[in-house]
Amino acid sequence: DTGVSQDPRHKITKRGQNVTFRCDPISEHNRLYWYRQTLGQGPEFLTYFQNEAQLEKSRLLSDRFSAERPKGSFSTLEIQRTEQGDSAMYLCASSDREKLFFGSGTQLSVL
Amino acid sequence: AQSVTQPDIHITVSEGASLELRCNYSYGATPYLFWYVQSPGQGLQLLLKYFSGDTLVQGIKGFEAEFKRSQSSFNLRKPSVHWSDAAEYFCAVYNSGGGADGLTFGKGTHLIIQP
Repeated sequence: DTGVSQDPRHKITKRGQNVTFRCDPISEHNRLYWYRQTLGQGPEFLTYFQNEAQLEKSRLLSDRFSAERPKGSFSTLEIQRTEQGDSAMYLCASSDREKLFFGSGTQLSVL
Repeated sequence: AQSVTQPDIHITVSEGASLELRCNYSYGATPYLFWYVQSPGQGLQLLLKYFSGDTLVQGIKGFEAEFKRSQSSFNLRKPSVHWSDAAEYFCAVYNSGGGADGLTFGKGTHLIIQP
């Protein structure tokens, strides 16, 4: 399978815990994006990497959120001290230009 | 700032009937426009895109969309829907430059297919 893969598919955690998600993009794509989607809404941009450089971060990305893309390959998104408002689907996408390919997402539930 | 409006939150269509989902955008330059479909609990699948040229674009699964600059619209159409088309549909515009590359999405239209 050469698509975008995300792990885990589902994560249930207690408020205050830290969680980390992983995204493996399509191998030849140099751009990687993270989006957040809540129920009944469209995906909202969180952050964007070109190779290993994080070029843009949304105001939605509070200081509890951090994303990395070491070596310009896979990426991780960590949320520290989770809050119930962090419950959402976290989507990763990759591209080499304007056409983005999305993974199946990680559904986070914070209890 | 760029934005996308999908005026219809829900649309119900009978199987076999035609479909049109509306999308209006706000963008300063020539837009790159997309339609994505999302089934429950899944990621987004690209249906079609418009970059330039012919304003009527064909996509997968029998969908097409027409770019109308004068109306700032990019409506999605299908001549005859199938039950498997029931899903959430998102229109998006690509932002380019200033380090803010990526897509801005509308809130989506939930398509319900009646037997």
